[in-house]
Amino acid sequence: EPEVTQTPSHQVTQMGQEVILRCVPISNHLYFYWYRQILGQKVEFLVSFYNNEISEKSEIFDDQFSVERPDGSNFTLKIRSTKLEDSAMYFCASGGELFYEQYFGPGTRLTVT
Amino acid sequence: AQSVSQHNHHVILSEAASLELGCNYSYGGTVNLFWYVQYPGQHLQLLLKYFSGDPLVKGIKGFEAEFIKSKFSFNLRKPSVQWSDTAEYFCAVNARGGGADGLTFGKGTHLIIQP
Repeated sequence: EPEVTQTPSHQVTQMGQEVILRCVPISNHLYFYWYRQILGQKVEFLVSFYNNEISEKSEIFDDQFSVERPDGSNFTLKIRSTKLEDSAMYFCASGGELFYEQYFGPGTRLTVT
Repeated sequence: AQSVSQHNHHVILSEAASLELGCNYSYGGTVNLFWYVQYPGQHLQLLLKYFSGDPLVKGIKGFEAEFIKSKFSFNLRKPSVQWSDTAEYFCAVNARGGGADGLTFGKGTHLIIQP
């Protein structure tokens, strides 16, 4: 069964550094999403991406964040200058024709020190 | 904006007990409703979904949920739980407006099934 994959599984970075989190969505999917979950809190929507552009974004997704689909398979989330409060689990998801049915990857645990 | 409330943060049951996890949402328009499950060490998996039609929906592993529009609820049920149902359960909603709408999640319910 096709799955969403994410790399790395765990990323440790220093405050102020740039990080890129990578996702490979399910191959025939057209809709891509990033979510995050701070420890002990809800899973929160960050951004959705369709047809090579951002479709929707939350208040969390400020100028420090950007997304890209650099080729036909990868979907990336970049945090330009990480803060301590960016420490969280970041989940990628993708959706197909039933775009509202989203399939999640295993997550990347980002630790900012 | 939508919001989702899950009333039970921790639930402990014995095997074969019946399960009902509460979920209420707040939104003025039409919504799609979901339950996701996260088994220990695994990623979020879609358990079941409601878009339209029969308000009683059946999902994988014997789970079902009932959408009650008047109560803004979408409770998850299973008649007889198994030890392998130990997991975190998340209720989620998005607005049925078309496009790539993000999901709004509840805080989750940590379910422990004792053998």
